[in-house]
Amino acid sequence: DARVTQTPRHKVTEMGQEVTMRCQPILGHNTVFWYRQTMMQGLELLAYFRNRAPLDDSGMPKDRFSAEMPDATLATLKIQPSEPRDSAVYFCASGWEGTYEQYFGPGTRLTVT
Amino acid sequence: KQEVTQIPAALSVPEGENLVLNCSFTDSAIYNLQWFRQDPGKGLTSLLLIQSSQREQTSGRLNASLDKSSGRSTLYIAASQPGDSATYLCAVSGNTPLVFGKGTRLSVIA
Repeated sequence: DARVTQTPRHKVTEMGQEVTMRCQPILGHNTVFWYRQTMMQGLELLAYFRNRAPLDDSGMPKDRFSAEMPDATLATLKIQPSEPRDSAVYFCASGWEGTYEQYFGPGTRLTVT
Repeated sequence: KQEVTQIPAALSVPEGENLVLNCSFTDSAIYNLQWFRQDPGKGLTSLLLIQSSQREQTSGRLNASLDKSSGRSTLYIAASQPGDSATYLCAVSGNTPLVFGKGTRLSVIA
């Protein structure tokens, strides 16, 4: 049963600390997406990759957020320094180019105090 | 910029009722439309995907329709059950991969 996995599932940190979230896409998928979900804004696309190359990261605050794919089995989303307004659930999704279907991970619930 | 709106934001129905969830989008130049289900504290599960050339898709008790020219989609749930209680999100794919609505929170009361 292939699934997208995300770690950690929950993270509580203090303002100013660095936060790194990890995602393992489904084996064979070549597109990876990062989303943020809040009550006020709903689901927002932060960035996405195809074949490990970043295609669009216009949804990310560039001064503090960064997203990378060190290899085909790992995507990372880093926030440095974190702020209380970054508190949200961060989802990773993967898919295969051309099918448009996306498979979501369970999310990382981030709380910045 | 594509915007997706879902009405109502919340809905409560008795078990056994048939119901309709609505989704509208502002830019009709889409590749496809998807309906997702999200349970509390969980990720999203894709329910139905309608390609832009299609009018509807069915899966079990679920039927989704698409009217691209008017920028509307509906998700029809037949004979609702308490297990259908969740948030249902609509998303469209066009120039950007997926733009989501804020969802309809459905409660089916036994």
